[in-house]
Amino acid sequence: LAKTTQPISMDSYEGQEVNITCSHNNIATNDYITWYQQFPSQGPRFIIQGYKTKVTNEVASLFIPADRKSSTLSLPRVSLSDTAVYYCLVGEKAAGNKLTFGGGTRVLVKP
Amino acid sequence: DTAVSQTPKYLVTQMGNDKSIKCEQNLGHDTMYWYKQDSKKFLKIMFSYNNKELIINETVPNRFSPKSPDKAHLNLHINSLELGDSAVYFCASNSGTSQETQYFGPGTRLLVL
Repeated sequence: LAKTTQPISMDSYEGQEVNITCSHNNIATNDYITWYQQFPSQGPRFIIQGYKTKVTNEVASLFIPADRKSSTLSLPRVSLSDTAVYYCLVGEKAAGNKLTFGGGTRVLVKP
Repeated sequence: DTAVSQTPKYLVTQMGNDKSIKCEQNLGHDTMYWYKQDSKKFLKIMFSYNNKELIINETVPNRFSPKSPDKAHLNLHINSLELGDSAVYFCASNSGTSQETQYFGPGTRLLVL
């Protein structure tokens, strides 16, 4: 199992960039790295996914070094509405469709 | 149009009762999941169905029984409810591979008294 480790919480201020790093030392060759966002009282929502190097979409960027043992989710210019829990997941293709969610990182954006 | 819907949203019941949670997805996905999120916010997969066939069954008490009448529905029946079953239960769906985005429902908050 490719276990992930990420900080429990992070505080930030509106307009700042937030970077959350996730460690996944045992990532397998076929595994992708996916990040989900969960607001209070809602289900997780997909943010971004990548395999290597850098991926960017309208919400975030994902940086993955060559060894793929970690990844960094970057949220540019956060707003109060970005306050949420962010989960880093590694796809376990060999285990079927199972995704393993860790504890996530609670990001609090302050005014 | 809700992609993944769950009913009920809240469920308060007594220990020992039997209850069901329903899930429906209108995304045309082949695979559906049930997750349990405990008070510490850890989200753990319980079951996964692909085209009505059980493909993942984690270490879950056999009091929990999923049922998939068709690939758009995955219901969760819980017998003899216990205090420790109190949690938020999320249904999710995707096209069927681990790399595919999973779409989650809004969750069912179960409180066992």
